[in-house]
Amino acid sequence: DAMVIQNPRYQVTQFGKPVTLSCSQTLNHNVMYWYQQKSSQAPKLLFHYYDKDFNNEADTPDNFQSRRPNTSFCFLDIRSPGLGDAAMYLCATSRAGSQPQHFGDGTRLSIL
Amino acid sequence: GENVEQHPSTLSVQEGDSAVIKCTYSDSASNYFPWYKQELGKRPQLIIDIRSNVGEKKDQRIAVTLNKTAKHFSLHITETQPEDSAVYFCALETGANNLFFGTGTRLTVIP
Repeated sequence: DAMVIQNPRYQVTQFGKPVTLSCSQTLNHNVMYWYQQKSSQAPKLLFHYYDKDFNNEADTPDNFQSRRPNTSFCFLDIRSPGLGDAAMYLCATSRAGSQPQHFGDGTRLSIL
Repeated sequence: GENVEQHPSTLSVQEGDSAVIKCTYSDSASNYFPWYKQELGKRPQLIIDIRSNVGEKKDQRIAVTLNKTAKHFSLHITETQPEDSAVYFCALETGANNLFFGTGTRLTVIP
């Protein structure tokens, strides 16, 4: 059974039109992460939540925001998607303190 | 910021041969070093990890070695099989709960 679930698997949006990607987990992990992965590149961390504490990476564009309403769910909001935001977005979870991260299947975002 | 160099970027081996992928890093404070396998279009999956208090760890055909003094760690896959073909990423923890990934190695196992 999938433990980190991302919806939708594929998302198409228009240039500049806000889009929200969702992630849920059944592992009850403290930490939830959002990564961006472009073709043939490594996953790049955008931000993470440690419980309710939000931690933004220094080079994450302001266009990207996140919400974590409860332990199980986390959302990635892209306020005004540009062509350069087309990528696979991966959600991951872990326990705190140097623990393995468990990834979801990702959402592939396309921008028209 | 952290710098992780991963080599080689591509690797082709005959089925049954061994494959070795190496990563070097600069942050001496790193203590957790996982390896992920990512098949085309799929999620990264943890295959093995090692912590700084251990020099080597093995799980069946997969092993990881860590040299903290020299700041490098390596993935060793023995008796490779076609299903081992994938992209492999090394990673290390750069701060509280943060993973920084290497650039990846595309492994092809030729039947």
